[in-house]
Amino acid sequence: EAQVTQNPRYLITVTGKKLTVTCSQNMNHEYMSWYRQDPGLGLRQIYYSMNVEVTDKGDVPEGYKVSRKEKRNFPLILESPSPNQTSLYFCASSLSSGADTQYFGPGTRLTVL
Amino acid sequence: QKEVEQDPGPLSVPEGAIVSLNCTYSNSAFQYFMWYRQYSRKGPELLMYTYSSGNKEDGRFTAQVDKSSKYISLFIRDSQPSDSATYLCAMSAVQGGKLIFGQGTELSVKP
Repeated sequence: EAQVTQNPRYLITVTGKKLTVTCSQNMNHEYMSWYRQDPGLGLRQIYYSMNVEVTDKGDVPEGYKVSRKEKRNFPLILESPSPNQTSLYFCASSLSSGADTQYFGPGTRLTVL
Repeated sequence: QKEVEQDPGPLSVPEGAIVSLNCTYSNSAFQYFMWYRQYSRKGPELLMYTYSSGNKEDGRFTAQVDKSSKYISLFIRDSQPSDSATYLCAMSAVQGGKLIFGQGTELSVKP
């Protein structure tokens, strides 16, 4: 089944404790992206990647890191999480660009205490 | 001012009604316009994609883009309870570039 998977689905952590949210797709998509969704603010793009070893900042990249060493994986790293990073995070992928059908993962709900 | 403005609703309509959802934007460089549907506790799914101005129809859904007014719309005909979801507009200036979403409109279709 074609899908985007994210792990973990739920995470509660404390300020300053490094964490990684994994994202993997099995559709051989070139384009992958991370978003956060907050009430009243909608979906905001954090980082995106058009191919392996190519990443670029989205709208709200501060406090986040990404890497794209393999085509299928696009982990999101929070080196020193803060409470304002408490949010619902979505990973997405598409065949070639943001204008193609983006397949979204199920979401990761992160709480930073 | 946000680059993309969307009324968050909630919008409640009776089954069978025509629904009109709208977004305005300020960046005249936007050329790619999308509508996503998001059910509760799920990730968004792409409904409609339009390049530049014009209309696009897919079943009960019609997307319109008016670049001169910086205004996009999504119409849903013969709305069904299964259409109850949050609808998000999204747009970008270049293909594969940074994507900007509206905050989403929550729609409820009552049987």
